[in-house]
Amino acid sequence: NAGVTQTPKFRILKIGQSMTLQCTQDMNHNYMYWYRQDPGMGLKLIYYSVGAGITDKGEVPNGYNVSRSTTEDFPLRLELAAPSQTSVYFCASALNPGAEGKRNTEAFFGQGTRLTVV
Amino acid sequence: RKEVEQDPGPFNVPEGATVAFNCTYSNSASQSFFWYRQDCRKEPKLLMSVYSSGNEDGRFTAQLNRASQYISLLIRDSKLSDSATYLCAVNSGGYQKVTFGIGTKLQVIP
Repeated sequence: NAGVTQTPKFRILKIGQSMTLQCTQDMNHNYMYWYRQDPGMGLKLIYYSVGAGITDKGEVPNGYNVSRSTTEDFPLRLELAAPSQTSVYFCASALNPGAEGKRNTEAFFGQGTRLTVV
Repeated sequence: RKEVEQDPGPFNVPEGATVAFNCTYSNSASQSFFWYRQDCRKEPKLLMSVYSSGNEDGRFTAQLNRASQYISLLIRDSKLSDSATYLCAVNSGGYQKVTFGIGTKLQVIP
């Protein structure tokens, strides 16, 4: 059981380039999330999805796009990379995040993608 | 006011000490609460879910205070291996989004 898998682990982009960060999970979780984490800072939500075909903006969506064509995959697209997008990106998934007192409410994270834009 | 607030620390404590962290949240409708542990340059991993009745797992105790809207994490008999950043997380926005605090850095000193 692989859990949440992110690729690539590291990437250097030039300003203006575009790329897609891949995220896939094999736990049949409906909820998936993309976060970015800047040095010494917490996790900021970029986009999230509550199921295939449904996505919504988080706290910092500008400069990013997502799609959710399948339950398993939730890719994050950067169209015109900027130095401000230099960060560590984490993808996460959860089965039932809002169910108080029940199991399987926690989020599972991928290992992260370290992106540098120069 | 931020949705989830934590003291970033660092908390420097000697081995064997007891240390406690608090985390406040702003959305009174939040239903699920968690503590995650994050090691340097690694992904966050769930430490404990926090239930209304509180819960304990070995040296770790988590509690929820709904009236004052905060959760707490108590670590007893601190070990060197407990050195990490502890993130609190709260579900919000119709119970679908999970919002994280900035994290509290703990350094256990020999």
